Amino acid sequence: EIQLQESGPGLVKPSQSLSLTCSVTGYTITSGYDWSWIRKFPGNKMEWMGYISYSGSTNYNPSLKSRISITRDTSKNQFFLQLNSVTTEDTATYYCARELGGPFAYWGQGTLVTVSS
Amino acid sequence: DIQMTQSPSSMSASLGDRVTITCRASQDIGNYLSWFQQKPGKSPRRMIYGATNLAAGVPSRFSGSRSGSDYSLTISSLESEDMAIYYCLQSIQYPWTFGGGTKLELK
Repeated sequence: EIQLQESGPGLVKPSQSLSLTCSVTGYTITSGYDWSWIRKFPGNKMEWMGYISYSGSTNYNPSLKSRISITRDTSKNQFFLQLNSVTTEDTATYYCARELGGPFAYWGQGTLVTVSS
Repeated sequence: DIQMTQSPSSMSASLGDRVTITCRASQDIGNYLSWFQQKPGKSPRRMIYGATNLAAGVPSRFSGSRSGSDYSLTISSLESEDMAIYYCLQSIQYPWTFGGGTKLELK
């Protein structure tokens, strides 16, 4: 059974970079599908941030402009989120997810990242 | 970006009630509409995909429908375990966009 698990710092200072890891078990990320990052803000708004495909191509939400980067380490079966120049408005719970027959059939448990000095 | 307008933003209902939540798309999304349930402290769970397809393991009291640009999630007989926030998502065009969410509470 596929499982996804996010990890990373829970606190990031404004203007710094947020870096998260999604570790995948039960499926090889190069075998298929798009691997996404999604975040949920305080107040419940949800935002799709972007994905890295099984082939390594990426697609980002234009709202994040040039701040976002999604990469992977195929040897560890992990993919990563980096968000630069964070502000307090980037405080959210961050999820990694994968499709199956449609969007986001599988989700990680989520990790709360607070941006604060 | 495609805007997904979800209503109501919150509602309360009694056990056994029939509950309907609606999303309206700002442009044609065909059947590229999914519904997610999120309980406190849990990850979202996909309930419906392709507007009307029940996801694996989802109880049959949940259903999805479409009427033009309006999409609905219906719970035929509300149970206590259904208290959650529900979101719609369009996936026809990037960036994929969510509705604002509906918080369903017990009356």
